[in-house]
Amino acid sequence: DAGVIQSPRHEVTEMGQEVTLRCKPISGHDYLFWYRQTMMRGLELLIYFNNNVPIDDSGMPEDRFSAKMPNASFSTLKIQPSEPRDSAVYFCASSPGTLLDDAYEQYFGPGTRLTVT
Amino acid sequence: AQSVTQLGSHVSVSEGALVLLRCNYSSSVPPYLFWYVQYPNQGLQLLLKYTTGATLVKGINGFEAEFKKSETSFHLTKPSAHMSDAAEYFCAVSDRGGKLIFGQGTELSVKP
Repeated sequence: DAGVIQSPRHEVTEMGQEVTLRCKPISGHDYLFWYRQTMMRGLELLIYFNNNVPIDDSGMPEDRFSAKMPNASFSTLKIQPSEPRDSAVYFCASSPGTLLDDAYEQYFGPGTRLTVT
Repeated sequence: AQSVTQLGSHVSVSEGALVLLRCNYSSSVPPYLFWYVQYPNQGLQLLLKYTTGATLVKGINGFEAEFKKSETSFHLTKPSAHMSDAAEYFCAVSDRGGKLIFGQGTELSVKP
């Protein structure tokens, strides 16, 4: 398996523009997570899905952020409009959930480095 | 509720010295515990995990951790540090509902 795939790897955009980050989880994994990492705030969980259904979006900072998972192999995180304080590395991770040997283990993608100017 | 505390945001050791990164957890259920490593400009990678069974867990790159229920600890150790071990290390506990609760991370520096 290729692991968790994220695109783009780097994104530079101007304030006010819409940004869409994409994630392809590992095939067969039931859980998908979106994280944000900054120097100031560390690693933050934004939202996670189970079987394509959002379970907990309490970490989404504000209404400018939205996430979808239309099917088991694809998810998007959208920021509209973007602001300079959204600059961060955004990680997607997937997990098989409760399978005995991989209980809740998460597999991370390489991340998308977002810079909003 | 579950939580994780990593003692020390930055640890510095000399090459060849013992590495000890501390993690204490709080959990209302028997915990599943994890250590992840993050190298610069990369995603997090699993080092090792404890679910059930043997309390001393061996992971990749010579790391190991011991689950001590009485101390609510899961400290990460490596007998001899290598320059390539320089990275950020995260301890995490599962909430058993699919989510991992991560600590704030400890940055490990290795001096030649």
